[in-house]
Amino acid sequence: GESVGLHLPTLSVQEGDNSIINCAYSNSASDYFIWYKQESGKGPQFIIDIRSNMDKRQGQRVTVLLNKTVKHLSLQIAATQPGDSAVYFCAEKTAGKLIFGQGTELSVKP
Amino acid sequence: GAGVSQSPSNKVTEKGKDVELRCDPISGHTALYWYRQRLGQGLEFLIYFQGNSAPDKSGLPSDRFSAERTGESVSTLTIQRTQQEDSAVYLCASSPSSTGELFFGEGSRLTVL
Repeated sequence: GESVGLHLPTLSVQEGDNSIINCAYSNSASDYFIWYKQESGKGPQFIIDIRSNMDKRQGQRVTVLLNKTVKHLSLQIAATQPGDSAVYFCAEKTAGKLIFGQGTELSVKP
Repeated sequence: GAGVSQSPSNKVTEKGKDVELRCDPISGHTALYWYRQRLGQGLEFLIYFQGNSAPDKSGLPSDRFSAERTGESVSTLTIQRTQQEDSAVYLCASSPSSTGELFFGEGSRLTVL
């Protein structure tokens, strides 16, 4: 199957700090991107999405940035909380199907 | 139910046996996806159904894997002659359209002994 996922990189931050999780996507024709959060033993949950005609979108405590020139996506989490600890995946939609990128494990230290 | 439902939640089988995994998508969702997630790894795309169109099977790893969907309803993923490397969590997701957010089930954990 298609996946960029290998062994997951980790990011450790202090509670209250901002977190930035990065993702490189593969297909310049992708027109829709989503960030998902996956807690242990659960299915992925939607966080925020962005279409390719935008370069920034903000939600509650989260911001997604899209740089199509270098095919890069980032997720910024403001004032990170212990409940934000999870694995975060970016995904790109190409030809209707959603392909997930490499996940990043976020660990929040109290 | 309100969400995507998958069954069984856990399945332990012997090498060489066939298994069927079931996914009940959210009512009205036209798109349905299957993914495989090995321990500590990312999500591997397996197959995608969109309405009555022919499914995109490009992610199926071998001819031992197949999936069916009845209209815009239930889907089953079948793995024949299971191998130990098939051990993983199989996740199903549905979406109200081909461009929308995916809603995931909790997954079916398959262990092949």
